[in-house]
Parts: sequence; structure tokens; C-alpha cells
Amino acid sequence: GAGVSQSPRYKVAKRGQDVALRCDPISGHVSLFWYQQALGQGPEFLTYFQNEAQLDKSGLPSDRFFAERPEGSVSTLKIQRTQQEDSAVYLCASSLAMAAYEQYFGPGTRLTVT
Amino acid sequence: SQQGEEDPQALSIQEGENATMNCSYKTSINNLQWYRQNSGRGLVHLILIRSNEREKHSGRLRVTLDTSKKSSSLLITASRAADTASYFCAISTPDTNAGKSTFGDGTTLTVKP
Repeated sequence: GAGVSQSPRYKVAKRGQDVALRCDPISGHVSLFWYQQALGQGPEFLTYFQNEAQLDKSGLPSDRFFAERPEGSVSTLKIQRTQQEDSAVYLCASSLAMAAYEQYFGPGTRLTVT
Repeated sequence: SQQGEEDPQALSIQEGENATMNCSYKTSINNLQWYRQNSGRGLVHLILIRSNEREKHSGRLRVTLDTSKKSSSLLITASRAADTASYFCAISTPDTNAGKSTFGDGTTLTVKP
């Protein structure tokens, strides 16, 4: 496909479960971003990759959140021991180059922790 | 907070009218971007305006930037029902990593047919 894809689109987890969210960026895009979006709010930055290097993880809310992009393409955001406050839409975006600020967003994964 | 803050939070207009949304921020920026988000979907990039630019156009969209007032506006002319969406501004600042943008909480636009 031509755009950024994310899977699953919807995830329901019981409190305490681990979840893994996948992002397939646009082929050839160097930069990849993860955002968390709460209902009625704008996206909040979580972490950023340039190729396989995680250059900024300052937005990860706790050490239960972990992201990786081992081969510089597909990325996974993992949340361990999920809590109710983790319920949100998780957005992935990619951009062509490090200095290319136009970001292409995926449709997001809506996580609900019960 | 460095993030852009949109104003108004919600805007309701009739089809054919113009819609203006504003974004204010508190720090120096490299650039400012506007995005649209339809309900339940990802964000779509609309326009990027750099700190040394004052105005940009794209179709029915016009963006202005006033760095002295630390504000930007997005004008949608001749609105259509399909323009109904949330609109976000996002800023990139010199002290953040290349490409990182900080988003505001958006303006929800409703265009009534």
C-alpha cells in the first residue's frame, strides 16, 4: 500500500496485560514517530526513530512503554502491564527524511484497557 | 507549554462560508504546520509554513504566520460539508530533534450543508 498502515486497528486489553502495536511506514521513509492521542486532544509525542536509531524517547510516559524499529522499517510499540490510563489512540507517522517535517500518519490503533 | 493552542475550540458554519482558525504558541519556531483529522482517522498534512514565510496558499486554504505575535491562522474559503473535521496546528522548535512536532488540541469544524 502507499500509506502508513497500523495494526491492529482496535485492541481491548485487560489491565495488566502486555500489548504490541505495529506500524508499517511508507517504504523508504527515514523518520518514524509514535504519538498518543487522548479523546478530544491533539497527538502527544512519544518517540522518534531515524532509520533504526531511536533518537528521542522523551515522550514515553513510563518504563512500561518500549518502542523498537530493528531494521529501520517496521516499528513496534509495546506497552507492558497496561493500565486504564493507557487507553488512547496510538498514531504512527513517517516522513521521508530527517529534515522533512511533513509527516504521513497512519489510521491509528485504538487501545482500550478494561 | 511550547505547544500550539488553537482557537476557537469549536466552530460551526454553513456551507459556502469561510472558516478561520487560529493557533498561538509561546516559543521560537522553525516551522508551523496545519493538519486535518476526520473522525476516527489519522491526520492529514495540509500546509507547512516556515518561520521566514508570512503566507502560503493551497487550493481553498490560506495560512498566515506572524512570528512577532507568535500566531498563525488557517482560512478555509467556500467551505464544504466535507471540510467537517478537526484541525490541528503543530510547531517545530529549534531545540527539538529534527522532525519532531508539538501539536495543539485542535479546532473542531462543523460545516452544515
